[in-house]
Order: sequence, then C-alpha cells, then structure tokens
Amino acid sequence: SQQGEEDPQALSIQEGENATMNCSYKTSINNLQWYRQNSGRGLVHLILIRSNEREKHSGRLRVTLDTSKKSSSLLITASRAADTASYFCATDNRDDKIIFGKGTRLHILP
Amino acid sequence: NAGVMQNPRHLVRRRGQEARLRCSPMKGHSHVYWYRQLPEEGLKFMVYLQKENIIDESGMPKERFSAEFPKEGPSILRIQQVVRGDSAAYFCASSPPGLAGYEQYFGPGTRLTVT
Repeated sequence: SQQGEEDPQALSIQEGENATMNCSYKTSINNLQWYRQNSGRGLVHLILIRSNEREKHSGRLRVTLDTSKKSSSLLITASRAADTASYFCATDNRDDKIIFGKGTRLHILP
Repeated sequence: NAGVMQNPRHLVRRRGQEARLRCSPMKGHSHVYWYRQLPEEGLKFMVYLQKENIIDESGMPKERFSAEFPKEGPSILRIQQVVRGDSAAYFCASSPPGLAGYEQYFGPGTRLTVT
C-alpha cells in the first residue's frame, strides 16, 4: 500500500483563494517531496523538505513538516487557474525507497 | 498483480560504456514514465511513452539518452557513452490507459554508478 496519503482526495476552490493539501506517512523519512502533475503529463518536482526542517517556501508554495505527527502540508496561496492539477507527496525513506501517495486533485474555479 | 518491475536494481558502468535500464509496467498498463533522481534531490521527469510512441520527451537530455516502449516487452532507457554525471537513481512509473495523469505506480528504481 502507498505510504503517503494525501488529504483531501479532491479539492475545488475559487481562483485567488488559498489551497491546502495534507499528506501523512508511516515510517521514518530522510525527506518529503511534493510534486504536481498536469493531466497526461509527467510529475514535476515542486519542493523538497528534509526531515530536520519544519517549513519551506518557494514562491506561492509553503510546505510544512511535522515529523512527530508524520505529516506534511502544502499550501498554495492566491491560487490561479494554472494551478489546476494533481498534487502528490512522496517520502524518501531510510531504506532508500520513494513512496508516493495517490494525490489530491485540485481544481481552481474561475 | 505484480507491481512495476525494474532491472537491474544496481548497475555499474565505466565511463564510455552503455547502460540499459529496463522497466516492466504493471499488467494492463500502457503508459510508462521515466524519472531521474540525483542524491538528495527530487525526481526529475525525463520521458513519457505509450506503446510504440514517445509522447513527451521534454526532460530527456538531447544526446546519449534514448527511450523506447515496444509493442512487446519492457520499456528500455538507454544511455550511451556514460559519464560520471549520469550516476543517479532512475525510476520508471506506469499508469493504466484512461488514467494517465492521475495514478502512477512506481518501480523500485535502478541505481546507476559510473566509475
């Protein structure tokens, strides 16, 4: 089974609003990564946060990591139509495997 | 249903040799994606293939790298005349027809070391 579990599975928000997606995992990790995937395309790496980091920013993206709760969140501020995509978290585990969740489908409404 | 299989799991090549990485998608899957991961970095998309077709190769280096997904058999990522900078983990993922873009199932990866 997949380790990373994104929540919610699907999310629709109005353009300009903030979108928050969560990811939970089960085992110890080296780092956690967030990816975006537009329909029919490959994954695009967004941001990587290491296990000793708590928060990271990149443009309109903000990622937090709580290793005590084994969870991470991805916040997209001031959403745009182009943000419509699926978002996946992936954990890079101490046994050297990368495990992806099933993703959150984000739909930005005009 | 076996998952995505990749072989070999570890591959060592000397500079100038060729590396061939194989990916067998899950049964019934007709889409294959290849990714490269450098140490402590995220996966970087390389190429997306369907059976006998390259759909998107925007992430593939222009030289020495090629990929195929024949009608029969596994998908092959081929690196000619390898250099030290090619050392990385190479992952493939597959998805079923009709769901390309939403669910990708990843293989365990092939770790290429160029000496």
